[in-house]
Amino acid sequence: EAAVTQSPRNKVAVTGGKVTLSCNQTNNHNNMYWYRQDTGHGLRLIHYSYGAGSTEKGDIPDGYKASRPSQENFSLILELATPSQTSVYFCASGEGTGENYAEQFFGPGTRLTVL
Amino acid sequence: LAKTTQPPSMEAYEGQEVNVSCSHTNIATSEYIYWYRQVPHQGPQFIIQGYKDYVVNEVASLFISADRKLSTLSLPWVSLRDAAVYYCIVTDGANTGKLTFGDGTVLTVKP
Repeated sequence: EAAVTQSPRNKVAVTGGKVTLSCNQTNNHNNMYWYRQDTGHGLRLIHYSYGAGSTEKGDIPDGYKASRPSQENFSLILELATPSQTSVYFCASGEGTGENYAEQFFGPGTRLTVL
Repeated sequence: LAKTTQPPSMEAYEGQEVNVSCSHTNIATSEYIYWYRQVPHQGPQFIIQGYKDYVVNEVASLFISADRKLSTLSLPWVSLRDAAVYYCIVTDGANTGKLTFGDGTVLTVKP
């Protein structure tokens, strides 16, 4: 059974609209991450979280907000969506500590198109 | 964070052993080497990690040079299901598990 799920799987939004991408994990991991992946390129970190109530900026946070209301849930929010934010978004969870501190478990991705 | 350099693409036939190299000439003593792979339309999947010498698991093996500037991921007996993008990532535990992905190596497997 999938441990990291994302919703929606596909989303079409209009420029200037608000978009919320949701992620749920059942791994009981402290850390969660949001990445985006543009065609033909690797993933880039947008925001991450150490636990409920915490959010941290990643490498490309501009234009995005994040919310971690609980251990299980982590949302990515685009207040004013722009066409440049058209991409595939991946959520991941991980321990962030211990021997395999950078082992992350990824969701299936959300394809977002902003028209 | 150390930058990594991988070949952009590789090809192999089913049943062959594939070795994917990764150069990380500026790797710090605190950094570990992680390998992930991503098949089309899915998120990346962790394969293996190591610090030095040789690491093996049920999926792959990882050889790290003595000076830690080069690592090689070895996939035995590849099948069509191994066709994916392979990412070599060097990361410091102080970054609490954050990953910095490059463009990876696209492995094409021919029948």
